[in-house]
Amino acid sequence: NAGVTQTPKFQVLKTGQSMTLQCAQDMNHNSMYWYRQDPGMGLRLIYYSASEGTTDKGEVPNGYNVSRLNKREFSLRLESAAPSQTSVYFCASSVRGLAGVKQFFGPGTRLTVL
Amino acid sequence: AQSVTQLDSQVPVFEEAPVELRCNYSSSVSVYLFWYVQYPNQGLQLLLKYLSGSTLVESINGFEAEFNKSQTSFHLRKPSVHISDTAEYFCAVSSQGGSEKLVFGKGTKLTVNP
Repeated sequence: NAGVTQTPKFQVLKTGQSMTLQCAQDMNHNSMYWYRQDPGMGLRLIYYSASEGTTDKGEVPNGYNVSRLNKREFSLRLESAAPSQTSVYFCASSVRGLAGVKQFFGPGTRLTVL
Repeated sequence: AQSVTQLDSQVPVFEEAPVELRCNYSSSVSVYLFWYVQYPNQGLQLLLKYLSGSTLVESINGFEAEFNKSQTSFHLRKPSVHISDTAEYFCAVSSQGGSEKLVFGKGTKLTVNP
């Protein structure tokens, strides 16, 4: 049981390049999320997916697109990277049960855009 | 809509001293409350959570938090900190029904000095 996995761990891009961050979870969770973390800003939600086939914008969606490929996988795409997108990106998944909501995080992707 | 305010961005303390990290929230509906911890260069881990029942919740490593509905607060405390508690701590809130999304505060960096 690997939990939430993310690839790559590190990435350096030049302005204007594109890339896709991959995320997968093996806990059979319906909901998945992409956050970015910047110093002094906490975690800000980029996009989320409440279930397979649905996606919704979060707080900071501009410049990003997402795909919920299946129940396990939720990818984040930067079509034309900008220096303002330099950040640490976290994927998460969640489940609601008798013990309330539990959200599980991946290890993060550190992205630098030059 | 919900929001979380962490009143201190940085808290330096000496080893074995007590510490309190403050968190206030705003919500028009009943909520669940969480504290997450992020050690340097790692992802987020759940430290403790309040769902219902007793307003005082404890973690396995000596932290505790008290839910105060009238003051809309969920402050995190530890009576005696260790060097290993140096980390960033995030308070988060989710609604008890509907979406499983979390709203995070901006974080408090706790630095424990020898």
